[in-house]
Amino acid sequence: QVQLQQSGPGLVKPSETLSLTCTVSGGSTSGYYWSWIRQPPGKGLEWIGYIFYTGSISYNPSLNSRVTISIDTSKNQFSLNLNSVTAADTAVYYCAREVAGGGCFDYWGRGALVTVSS
Amino acid sequence: QSVLTQPPSVSGAPGQRVIISCAGSISNIGTYDVHWYQQLPGAAPKLLILRNSDRPSGVPDRFSGSRSGTSASLTITGLQVEDEADYYCQSFDRSLKRVFGGGTTLTVL
Repeated sequence: QVQLQQSGPGLVKPSETLSLTCTVSGGSTSGYYWSWIRQPPGKGLEWIGYIFYTGSISYNPSLNSRVTISIDTSKNQFSLNLNSVTAADTAVYYCAREVAGGGCFDYWGRGALVTVSS
Repeated sequence: QSVLTQPPSVSGAPGQRVIISCAGSISNIGTYDVHWYQQLPGAAPKLLILRNSDRPSGVPDRFSGSRSGTSASLTITGLQVEDEADYYCQSFDRSLKRVFGGGTTLTVL
């Protein structure tokens, strides 16, 4: 059974960089798209971006200038960096697997709450 | 504002049928498949319907989906108390960006 686990700081100061890592177990990163999705408290889901196992990337245009997603297939991990954060970036951050050609997210991590505050 | 439009809330009594709509445009639902997710309180979203109308293994056949033109819908029949959750539609948009609906809260009366 594929499992995804997010890790990283739960508190980030304004203007600094939010960094999270997602570790994939029970399966390989090969052959899939790997996305980051966030959910501000009490609000809906927002797709941040994806990285394909080959390294190709796509970001949400609204976050494009601040986002970097990378992958380490040898460690079965992929990571999110979001720079110049503000309170508006406070959210639960999910990592998720997308089936290539399917377009849907079939496995999700449990989510990591990241609060932006001084 | 979400690219895909869902009603903020729907409700129904146990045993009834509810329908959750998801409205889009030619650049998203009019071109690409729609998927649905169920998010129980305090939990991560769970894939409920993929490719408009397919159910992953383990999802009861009380849940069904459809897509027509630039809109899609999720139908839940035989409503149960445990169906109380948030539901999200998802598709692709221009340049294959992934987009979600704003979410619909289902209340079982």
